[in-house]
Amino acid sequence: DAKTTQPPSMDCAEGRAANLPCNHSTISGNEYVYWYRQIHSQGPQYIIHGLKNNETNEMASLIITEDRKSSTLILPHATLRDTAVYYCIVRVEGAGNMLTFGGGTRLMVKP
Amino acid sequence: DGGITQSPKYLFRKEGQNVTLSCEQNLNHDAMYWYRQDPGQGLRLIYYSQIVNDFQKGDIAEGYSVSREKKESFPLTVTSAQKNPTAFYLCASSTGRGGNQPQHFGDGTRLSIL
Repeated sequence: DAKTTQPPSMDCAEGRAANLPCNHSTISGNEYVYWYRQIHSQGPQYIIHGLKNNETNEMASLIITEDRKSSTLILPHATLRDTAVYYCIVRVEGAGNMLTFGGGTRLMVKP
Repeated sequence: DGGITQSPKYLFRKEGQNVTLSCEQNLNHDAMYWYRQDPGQGLRLIYYSQIVNDFQKGDIAEGYSVSREKKESFPLTVTSAQKNPTAFYLCASSTGRGGNQPQHFGDGTRLSIL
């Protein structure tokens, strides 16, 4: 699986958009980009995933660059409960492939 | 509500003792996974199962065993051969179809040695 690079930490003001970047410059054509988050002492929570097109769901939007070498997770109106570690993962199709969690970005939403 | 249930939330093991962690899902998912997470670390795959009565080793299977007798259940046994079992254990499941379907996680079991 391609490696990802994320900033170790970010701050965001409550109510503002949180934009979390991820670099995956060695991504291959059949690898999807997934985003998860983990709040302390809980299991990771799936947020969103995509291949090449931008995606949006009730939690977030995922913007993937045209060359697919980077992506941005957007939380449109961050709340204090969005404080968590956010993981960007790229993964080849296949049910047996594990998720490789890197260091992630620790997002702190401040009042 | 559909989801993944792990129990117990906290578990203590004595030296030389085997313990079993429960994972149950009612999402009708074919694939199930066990991960281990150490403090400040990412997840490492222990075992996974794509279908009932079949499972494969992950990266750190030594000292662990699993069974998959029912679609909804994938228990993990931490044996006495696992010398450093203290960790946060996470169970996940996915539909297993289409390859790109995300894994969904339970809330974990925290195992400690007495």
